[in-house]
Amino acid sequence: EADIYQTPRYLVIGTGKKITLECSQTMGHDKMYWYQQDPGMELHLIHYSYGVNSTEKGDLSSESTVSRIRTEHFPLTLESARPSHTSQYLCASSEFQGLYFGPGTRLTVT
Amino acid sequence: RKEVEQDPGPFNVPEGATVAFNCTYSNSASQSFFWYRQDCRKEPKLLMSVYSSGNEDGRFTAQLNRASQYISLLIRDSKLSDSATYLCVVNTLDSNYQLIWGAGTKLIIKP
Repeated sequence: EADIYQTPRYLVIGTGKKITLECSQTMGHDKMYWYQQDPGMELHLIHYSYGVNSTEKGDLSSESTVSRIRTEHFPLTLESARPSHTSQYLCASSEFQGLYFGPGTRLTVT
Repeated sequence: RKEVEQDPGPFNVPEGATVAFNCTYSNSASQSFFWYRQDCRKEPKLLMSVYSSGNEDGRFTAQLNRASQYISLLIRDSKLSDSATYLCVVNTLDSNYQLIWGAGTKLIIKP
């Protein structure tokens, strides 16, 4: 079983608020990822990192930022939440092949 | 055309039947291939990697056809617990080793 954690699991927040979604893994994996997924839809890559101090933008990154100061920690920040950000956010990590996902954060912006 | 395409289904299959579905990919430079399983409102979980020679894990068999650029997943003796969405994932050298995800095929096993 993969050891990757996300908090909070559920978040309801008002428009314009700044939020940070936490992700941590205890497997020592260098690569970490953030995906966004709406119900029944495909995964979209938001950001990824190949190691400490490495971050890259994915397809949907323009409204969020990430940091990778420690190997085990990869937080995602939305500077100003909007209703269009309502979705599930999935964090993942990998070493060689295959991704291990956290349980996700279900975000609702009102 | 999407880089990775899957029939969205749903595939409604009686328990005990054999079911197979394919996933096509457009980039011939693709290097690695995977099948993931995702239950409703849960995170995806790695089901199996797909090797060039094909591979089997219990009731599940994955195959790769590089010439026709598709991978397949076969499930034998299907169980109710196999009901899920199956996601095809391709790792392509051209996209800086990023994983390209299919939208998934929904499988419903009926008693």
